[in-house]
Parts: sequence; structure tokens; C-alpha cells
Amino acid sequence: EIVLTQSPGTLSLSPGERATLSCRASQSVSGSYLAWYQQKPGQAPRLLIYGASNRATGIPDRFSGSGSGTDFTLTISRLEPEDFAVYHCHHYGNSLFTFGPGTKVDIK
Amino acid sequence: EVHLEQSGAEVRKPGESLKISCKGSGYGFGSYWIAWVRQMPGKGLEWMGIIYPGDSETRYSPSFQGQVTISADKSINTAYVQWTSLKASDTAMYFCVRLSGWWHLGVYFDYWGQGTPVTVSS
Repeated sequence: EIVLTQSPGTLSLSPGERATLSCRASQSVSGSYLAWYQQKPGQAPRLLIYGASNRATGIPDRFSGSGSGTDFTLTISRLEPEDFAVYHCHHYGNSLFTFGPGTKVDIK
Repeated sequence: EVHLEQSGAEVRKPGESLKISCKGSGYGFGSYWIAWVRQMPGKGLEWMGIIYPGDSETRYSPSFQGQVTISADKSINTAYVQWTSLKASDTAMYFCVRLSGWWHLGVYFDYWGQGTPVTVSS
């Protein structure tokens, strides 16, 4: 079973700063099956990135995804007030869907 | 517009049964897999299982196999998850979500229901 680890657990930043979130897989995975979601308090998650680097419909270009093998990154180039949320990475492989524990991006 | 509408909040006692629903609209419901995802209070997301409403093929996470039953009625564009004997540890938010992509090229969850909160308490 593939385990996803996200770091840091919490990222404290100011609006306008750059956020770099990490998702590490316990073994090499295909980026085609790696996605990122944003979740705000009391809301359902929202798809941001699929296939490791493809932005979902309507997602601003300040969000970008990259990586391969075991290391994947979600970057928010300049944080807007509405970007403070929890971010989950997600993978499908070996007939299992797996989520990482999440990274909370909060206001410094 | 694609939309997944979930049934409302539920409160049950331990040992009781429950069935919650997820109604899809704005797309061909029978042609996309629907998954269920649990989020316990203050915790992360856990995949429970997935169903293809077109033929009701169902797959379960090993962690949820035997604990829940996932079903669908494509005639009314609705998927379900049910419990026969709830436990306090089933207290959580439950989301339904549509799967997009292709199994052999890449898949992801694109549309999410609003969530159904379930509280199990004596």
C-alpha cells in the first residue's frame, strides 16, 4: 500500500508570499494519478491539480503542481486571502485511493 | 452544470442502521464512477469505496470492506452508502465524489458533494 506524507503539517505565511507544499510517496508512483485538493473549513474539498501538474477548470494560475517518482510539490506563487486552507494530496494505484494527511496553510 | 446533492445531517444511536444518499445532475450519471470519502472530526480524508452506477460494479477500501455497503440506482441518478449497525466511531462527515479520467491514463476526483454529517451517540 502506498502511503502519502505531506510536509509541513502547518505552513504559516503572509498574503503575497510563496507557498511550497510537499507530498512524498512511500514508493515511486505515476504522476498521472497524483492530484491536489483545497479544503476550507466547513466545505467540501475542491480539485486544484490533476495528473501532478494540470490545473483543474477555473483554478488560478498562481497554483502549480510539479514532481515525479516519489516527490511532488504544490506551489502557490503569491498567496491570496482566500488561499488559506488545508491542502490534500491524493493518489490512485494498485486499486486503492490514498490521501495524504494534509498541509494547513494559515495566516502568519 | 455538474452537481452532487447529498442528503441531510443524521443523528443515530449505536447499533442503529443508516443509509445516506448522493444525487447527481448535469451529466450522465451512469457513465462516471462515484466514490465515498470519510472525514472524521479534525482529520484527513479516507476513501471508503467506489461504484459504477452503469452496472453497479463496486470496489471497497480494505479498511471499509464489510463495514458499509455502497449501492446505486441509475434510474434516479442516486448513489448510497449504508450501515447496518453504527458505532460511535462512524461519527464523521461523508462526501460523495465523482471520478474523472481514465483508469489506464490517470484518474482524479473532480466534483464533490457538500457532505453529510453523521453523528452516532447514545
